[in-house]
Amino acid sequence: GEDVEQSLFLSVREGDSSVINCTYTDSSSTYLYWYKQEPGAGLQLLTYIFSNMDMKQDQRLTVLLNKKDKHLSLRIADTQTGDSAIYFCAESNNQGGKLIFGQGTELSVKP
Amino acid sequence: DGGITQSPKYLFRKEGQNVTLSCEQNLNHDAMYWYRQDPGQGLRLIYYSQIVNDFQKGDIAEGYSVSREKKESFPLTVTSAQKNPTAFYLCASTAGDRGWISTEAFFGQGTRLTVV
Repeated sequence: GEDVEQSLFLSVREGDSSVINCTYTDSSSTYLYWYKQEPGAGLQLLTYIFSNMDMKQDQRLTVLLNKKDKHLSLRIADTQTGDSAIYFCAESNNQGGKLIFGQGTELSVKP
Repeated sequence: DGGITQSPKYLFRKEGQNVTLSCEQNLNHDAMYWYRQDPGQGLRLIYYSQIVNDFQKGDIAEGYSVSREKKESFPLTVTSAQKNPTAFYLCASTAGDRGWISTEAFFGQGTRLTVV
């Protein structure tokens, strides 16, 4: 079945870049997403990429997609303490459209 | 403002009781989802519904039940058959279309269920 994997923790210093990685198994993935979850709250969409793209940039966020290796990454430039949260990678396909999430990466930003 | 609302925010259940978590959306979305979140395990899909009066089991449906009588409402019942119900429950909705592809899922703020 479909599977999405992420590392559980990442710690960076304020002002550095953060790179959060994700791998997935579903070769029919159509959209890939990055969601952010702050403590005790729901998820908010940060950005997404369509599977025929290899890069998308949105202000401090850069998404890279390597479809051959089924690898997705999220780079946050100039990371701030307010970026501390759990980041989820997710994918959907055209076979039911349900969203499959990774385990989430907890990003800790130290001043 | 359009959005998706879950209630209550905190819920306590005694062993052997059924409880129902509410999820309402005014986004006119066709598809709705229930996820369970446990530390280190991410979000696991319990049930989803792509259209009114229809729903499908997700990966961990045992011990849960849902209904979808109205487009805007997708309540989740946690039954006494669910052996480990303490978790954070998230409801989501997507616009959906014939291909059921959407670029964004909207999430509620979650319900934290604790068995006492």
